Amino acid sequence: GAGVSQSPSNKVTEKGKDVELRCDPISGHTALYWYRQSLGQGLEFLIYFQGNSAPDKSGLPSDRFSAERTGGSVSTLTIQRTQQEDSAVYLCASSSRTGLSYEQYFGPGTRLTVT
Amino acid sequence: AQSVSQHNHHVILSEAASLELGCNYSYGGTVNLFWYVQYPGQHLQLLLKYFSGDPLVKGIKGFEAEFIKSKFSFNLRKPSVQWSDTAEYFCAVIPNTGKLIFGQGTTLQVKP
Repeated sequence: GAGVSQSPSNKVTEKGKDVELRCDPISGHTALYWYRQSLGQGLEFLIYFQGNSAPDKSGLPSDRFSAERTGGSVSTLTIQRTQQEDSAVYLCASSSRTGLSYEQYFGPGTRLTVT
Repeated sequence: AQSVSQHNHHVILSEAASLELGCNYSYGGTVNLFWYVQYPGQHLQLLLKYFSGDPLVKGIKGFEAEFIKSKFSFNLRKPSVQWSDTAEYFCAVIPNTGKLIFGQGTTLQVKP
């Protein structure tokens, strides 16, 4: 079956512009996660959606970052007024939380470059 | 705060050498443990995982890891590496919060 997909694969934007990154999780997966991978910072958790529960936003670095998940499926990560330090690869993952099955499946990522 | 520590940031080995990558985590409760691998130009893939039971888990491509609860460790091992094992390796933990906490990653370079 299809894996996690993300779009665009690459995004170059000017400082101060807003960007939207999209994630399509594996069909039927109830949990969806966003992470950021940047040089020197490793992999950093951003936000987590689980079913209809309120999302865990504890990893969002500033109020310029927000995310939503519509209909329990597709998610969009929005970065407003982008800064150069936002340049990174943004990864989405999904999982099917049945019992202790917390395995997360990752998408290919969106490489964001802020100039 | 919950954290994962990978001791080696960059490892260089010759083919057929044995590999051990260290991973320690700081969380006292029940955890699920993972090793992910990212080959050059590819996305993160699960290498192996530990949820419960036998603390020695075997993954793909001849990798294995041992969970030692008393040491809060989950070290990755492979008896004989290949050039194709060149990649970045991430240890990760899920405590009861449900979100993965990753280590900083270890870049493995295998010389042919």
